[in-house]
Amino acid sequence: QVQLVQSGPEVKKPGASLKVSCEPSGYIFTDYYIHWVRQAPGQGLEWMGLINPGDDGTTYARRFQGRFTLTSDMSTNTVYMELTSLRPDDSALYYCAREGPGAFDYWGQGTLVTVSS
Amino acid sequence: QAGLTQPPSVSKDLRQTATLTCTGNSNNVGRQGAAWLQQHQGHPPKLLSYRDNNRPSGVSERFSASRSGSTASLTISGLQPGDEADYYCSAWDKGLNAWVFGGGTKLTVL
Repeated sequence: QVQLVQSGPEVKKPGASLKVSCEPSGYIFTDYYIHWVRQAPGQGLEWMGLINPGDDGTTYARRFQGRFTLTSDMSTNTVYMELTSLRPDDSALYYCAREGPGAFDYWGQGTLVTVSS
Repeated sequence: QAGLTQPPSVSKDLRQTATLTCTGNSNNVGRQGAAWLQQHQGHPPKLLSYRDNNRPSGVSERFSASRSGSTASLTISGLQPGDEADYYCSAWDKGLNAWVFGGGTKLTVL
């Protein structure tokens, strides 16, 4: 069955960098785009960007461009999300999700990130 | 930063029918339709429907989606206590070259 397993919770100081992994399984890694979506405490969903593991093509939301990078590793079937220059308002649950036809059909369990001095 | 507009909350009685709405524009919902997600507290979102009215396998027939122009709707019939959750719509926005979400609707089953 399709699963997306993310790395564990992170606590970071302001100004630091964050790297979170997402390991999909149960399907051919290069067949589907992977997206990242975050959710601040008590807030809604915010799309951050996507990667095509087949060719490493990426598209980022405008507000994250410059400090957000997605990469993929076909040897380990893993997608990585990196966010730099962290601020306290980057504290959120970060999800990876697979893009099926017209929607995000499978989601990771979420990675809680806390940014605090 | 919601790109689509959803009412913040809807309350309905047990066993009644709730209709949730999601309003976008011709670049997103009006162009390719919307998907609907259900999120229970402390859990990741779960896909309920995609491309307006397609249900993934395993999703109850009590959930049905539709669209009129740039407004998508999710109708939940025979409301159950387990339907209490946050519901989000999403769509690809061709103008923004980005996915957008609604702000979410909190459904309360009385």
